[in-house]
Amino acid sequence: DADVTQTPRNRITKTGKRIMLECSQTKGHDRMYWYRQDPGLGLRLIYYSFDVKDINKGEISDGYSVSRQAQAKFSLSLESAIPNQTALYFCATSASGGDNEQFFGPGTRLTVL
Amino acid sequence: EDQVTQSPEALRLQEGESSSLNCSYTVSGLRGLFWYRQDPGKGPEFLFTLYSAGEEKEKERLKATLTKKESFLHITAPKPEDSATYLCAVQGAGGYNKLIFGAGTRLAVHP
Repeated sequence: DADVTQTPRNRITKTGKRIMLECSQTKGHDRMYWYRQDPGLGLRLIYYSFDVKDINKGEISDGYSVSRQAQAKFSLSLESAIPNQTALYFCATSASGGDNEQFFGPGTRLTVL
Repeated sequence: EDQVTQSPEALRLQEGESSSLNCSYTVSGLRGLFWYRQDPGKGPEFLFTLYSAGEEKEKERLKATLTKKESFLHITAPKPEDSATYLCAVQGAGGYNKLIFGAGTRLAVHP
């Protein structure tokens, strides 16, 4: 079984709809992240959380919100989706301390029409 | 501002033809430089972490090296299964685990 899972894997929605992307991990890591990936731009950080009570904005948080329901679960919401939020979304986890490498989920392809 | 630039954007090799991918970076206090491999439709897969200039790490046909301004990912005698996008990322001194990614190099290895 995958260590980091994301649901749904693909989603098509319309402008103005509320969307939630979910991430679960079985790695026992404290730290979780949400990124978006656009062609030619690389991965950009949306939000990150270092434990259940800690939520921080990344470089592109406008239009997004997150919830850390448990150590293993981190959800990303688009309150009112717009077409320029069409992208690949990745969840990642890392252990506190150690080599700091992040482990990524398989991604969610979101299309906003 | 921390920044990562990867070159080339795309690289086509024949099987067995060795080459290198470049990752140039500017960061205030490097805490780590990371290489990832990403296959189509999948999330990035961790390859290496480098911490200081002069450090090298190897895995199968891949070797990563680091200087104060750039990192190279050397691919020796590549095979078609090495085809993927290779991503470079840096963590700066104030990064708190935040990674700044480059746009990646798309590698295609043909038989």
